[in-house]
Amino acid sequence: NAGVTQTPKFRVLKTGQSMTLLCAQDMNHEYMYWYRQDPGMGLRLIHYSVGEGTTAKGEVPDGYNVSRLKKQNFLLGLESAAPSQTSVYFCASSSHEGSYEQYFGPGTRLTVT
Amino acid sequence: AQTVTQSQPEMSVQEAETVTLSCTYDTSENNYYLFWYKQPPSRQMILVIRQEAYKQQNATENRFSVNFQKAAKSFSLKISDSQLGDTAMYFCAFMKYRRSGNTPLVFGKGTRLSVIA
Repeated sequence: NAGVTQTPKFRVLKTGQSMTLLCAQDMNHEYMYWYRQDPGMGLRLIHYSVGEGTTAKGEVPDGYNVSRLKKQNFLLGLESAAPSQTSVYFCASSSHEGSYEQYFGPGTRLTVT
Repeated sequence: AQTVTQSQPEMSVQEAETVTLSCTYDTSENNYYLFWYKQPPSRQMILVIRQEAYKQQNATENRFSVNFQKAAKSFSLKISDSQLGDTAMYFCAFMKYRRSGNTPLVFGKGTRLSVIA
């Protein structure tokens, strides 16, 4: 099992450009999450999904959109990137039962210039 | 809304010694889960230990143990016999319990731990 994978691992964007971050999990998990990590801020929730076709806003959703068309994938989109979106982005997934542990991907470092 | 506070931005400990990282949280929930995650320089988030609020017994995983004080809303992590590989950022996290399923994690800002040889 690969667990949770994220594509790409690094990216540099210019202000105003768009991009999509892909998260994939092979553990048949119902729940998936996108967090961003900034220095001194910990991880903050952007959006999450409790199942295929569903999404919900987290603490810092502005400037991002998400889609969960397939159970194993959770996409995070930036329509018009801003320097304030420079961050490390983590995807995570968890089962709807059991240990409640969230499994994290390796992260994507995004720089917006 | 839940908040998680880690009051120690940085700490250091000598190899083989014991160190305790502090975490307090604020919630009106009665049922919840608490976690400590480790983030080494590789950036990977690794679960260290978890505690269910309904359990009075403190969780233990090898050299890692917690001191869970529900009334005080305190959840500290003790690392015994510190090793160089314990050098990492440590995050305390809170999760509400819902019978319908999981809820997102709320993280503290982290404590950077350095283990010195």
